[in-house]
Amino acid sequence: KAGVTQTPRYLIKTRGQQVTLSCSPISGHRSVSWYQQTPGQGLQFLFEYFSETQRNKGNFPGRFSGRQFSNSRSEMNVSTLELGDSALYLCASSLFGVEGAQYFGPGTRLLVL
Amino acid sequence: AQSVTQLGSHVSVSEGALVLLRCNYSSSVPPYLFWYVQYPNQGLQLLLKYTSAATLVKGINGFEAEFKKSETSFHLTKPSAHMSDAAEYFCAVSGRKTSYDKVIFGPGTSLSVIP
Repeated sequence: KAGVTQTPRYLIKTRGQQVTLSCSPISGHRSVSWYQQTPGQGLQFLFEYFSETQRNKGNFPGRFSGRQFSNSRSEMNVSTLELGDSALYLCASSLFGVEGAQYFGPGTRLLVL
Repeated sequence: AQSVTQLGSHVSVSEGALVLLRCNYSSSVPPYLFWYVQYPNQGLQLLLKYTSAATLVKGINGFEAEFKKSETSFHLTKPSAHMSDAAEYFCAVSGRKTSYDKVIFGPGTSLSVIP
């Protein structure tokens, strides 16, 4: 099976802009989760979508949002970018959700200038 | 709330030596526990998971971990380190009922293998 894919791999944006990241899960996986990874805060859970519904949400501001499509592909959107949003954004897919084994994509590295 | 601590942000071992990476968790409910590995410029890869079956869990690449409830620990070991084991290792815990801390990752331990 093909693994989790994320596009784009690298992005450079400026403060105030918005960005959309895409994630395609492993075939058959209905759960897609998003994480932010930074040197200072480590890996932090953003949210999880399961069958097009947001099932869990981490402690991030409303500028971070997401959605999932009927084919389980997911997008994450960050509006009004801040310098502190520079990070590696990881997507993970799973059969059962964040409480089970997750399979991660390579990530999208976002730099906000 | 759940939390995960990993003792030692950086561990160095000689090639062929025992690898021991420490993980302690706090959780008020029986947890699910995981170890993931991250190689440079890549996402995380699942090494092994504990889901309340056998307390000694075997994973990929020769790694194993033992769940010790009395010590709230889930340390990762490998009998003989290989150069390819050099990477960042993350312990994670899940199982809470609240939404915002469904899964918590530890800060990570960077493993260096000295030839």
